[in-house]
Amino acid sequence: QVQLQQSGPGLVRPSQTLSLTCAISGDSVSSNTAAWTWIRQSPSRGLEWLGRTYYRSKWYNDYAVSVKGRITINPDTTKNQLFLQLNSVTPEDTAVYYCARQAGGALGIWGQGTMVTVSS
Amino acid sequence: DIVMTQSPDSLTVSLGERATINCKSSQSVLSTSNNKNYLAWYQQKPGQPPKLLIYWASTRESGVPDRFSGSGSGTDFTLTINSLQAEDVAVYYCQQYSSIPFTFGPGTNVDIK
Repeated sequence: QVQLQQSGPGLVRPSQTLSLTCAISGDSVSSNTAAWTWIRQSPSRGLEWLGRTYYRSKWYNDYAVSVKGRITINPDTTKNQLFLQLNSVTPEDTAVYYCARQAGGALGIWGQGTMVTVSS
Repeated sequence: DIVMTQSPDSLTVSLGERATINCKSSQSVLSTSNNKNYLAWYQQKPGQPPKLLIYWASTRESGVPDRFSGSGSGTDFTLTINSLQAEDVAVYYCQQYSSIPFTFGPGTNVDIK
């Protein structure tokens, strides 16, 4: 079955870059029927969809306006992984970050979540 | 952005009774091209990621007990939990996937009376 395993640091300094990895098993990041998504959750903002990448003969990205200009979501097809980079972080970016697979519309498979704290 | 609202914020129900959660979207999430509502429901327990329960507003995800059902169309939707069980204590979220960014409701906390 499809599984998503997240990894990355739990503490990031303000103004630095948050980088997370999502290792995919049981499916391909290059799937023509799935989209690979990052979501975060915090008490102040609730569940917030950040963006996605997907392959349909070529790669596409969609990003939330709230983080556009700071966010990059990239696939690694050789390792079958998904990456999130969020630049110039502030304490407002403190949240639990999730990767998830969107297939057929909704988010059916989620990673375990990574708590990221932005603090000096 | 489509704004999702839910009511009530929290709900306390006796074991075996029915729980009803409402979700409203600021714009219709019904597609005229395929007549599908781009609306999902998730269940989240403490320390866990959200779990998909319902998609296309009323299609139950594989393995989800049939006491969970979804209904509604356009901008108004309902999640019903018939015969509430102890393991149903959780926060429930609706989400629209009709237009980017895909937005979530604020959640409804369901507890046992």
